[in-house]
Amino acid sequence: DVKVTQSSRYLVKRTGEKVFLECVQDMDHENMFWYRQDPGLGLRLIYFSYDVKMKEKGDIPEGYSVSREKKERFSLILESASTNQTSMYLCASSPIWGGGGAFFGQGTRLTVV
Amino acid sequence: ELKVEQNPLFLSMQEGKNYTIYCNYSTTSDRLYWYRQDPGKSLESLFVLLSNGAVKQEGRLMASLDTKARLSTLHITAAVHDLSATYFCAGGYNNNDMRFGAGTRLTVKP
Repeated sequence: DVKVTQSSRYLVKRTGEKVFLECVQDMDHENMFWYRQDPGLGLRLIYFSYDVKMKEKGDIPEGYSVSREKKERFSLILESASTNQTSMYLCASSPIWGGGGAFFGQGTRLTVV
Repeated sequence: ELKVEQNPLFLSMQEGKNYTIYCNYSTTSDRLYWYRQDPGKSLESLFVLLSNGAVKQEGRLMASLDTKARLSTLHITAAVHDLSATYFCAGGYNNNDMRFGAGTRLTVKP
């Protein structure tokens, strides 16, 4: 059974903390993505990566960074958490070729207080 | 930069009726995705459309792509309650990005 696993389902962090969200996939996919999902806004792309150590900014990268040191792992980092980063964060992976869609993790509900 | 717009954002249907969700995108996209999300769950891939005129069907759902009009549609035939969910379309380019619309929340009533 193919999987994208996010390290936490729920997180509560304080304003100003550095926050790490981890995502691991077991499908040997080249592409990995981080999105945030907010009501009425759909999924907004934060960063994506198409190879180890490669990263591309999405539509809302401000306040975030990413790390991809190994093919299977893609980390999202909130350098200094703020309350407006309270959201559902979704990780996904997909193969670079072929007609398949992406596989999504179960999501991390982050609350910044 | 690719922008994706869906309409309607909310759709309430009677069981047995047909309806279509529309997805417009702003610039060249070499693939169009449709996903389903159930409440409290993550997204599940439904269709990937790769070329102009592509049509894919699964059960009561049929997706199509018109690249010239930059339009994809998701047609629902004879809706049943189990189809109640939020449906997202997404566009991608160069095999490695994927940008989503706001989603269509579908409710099918008996």
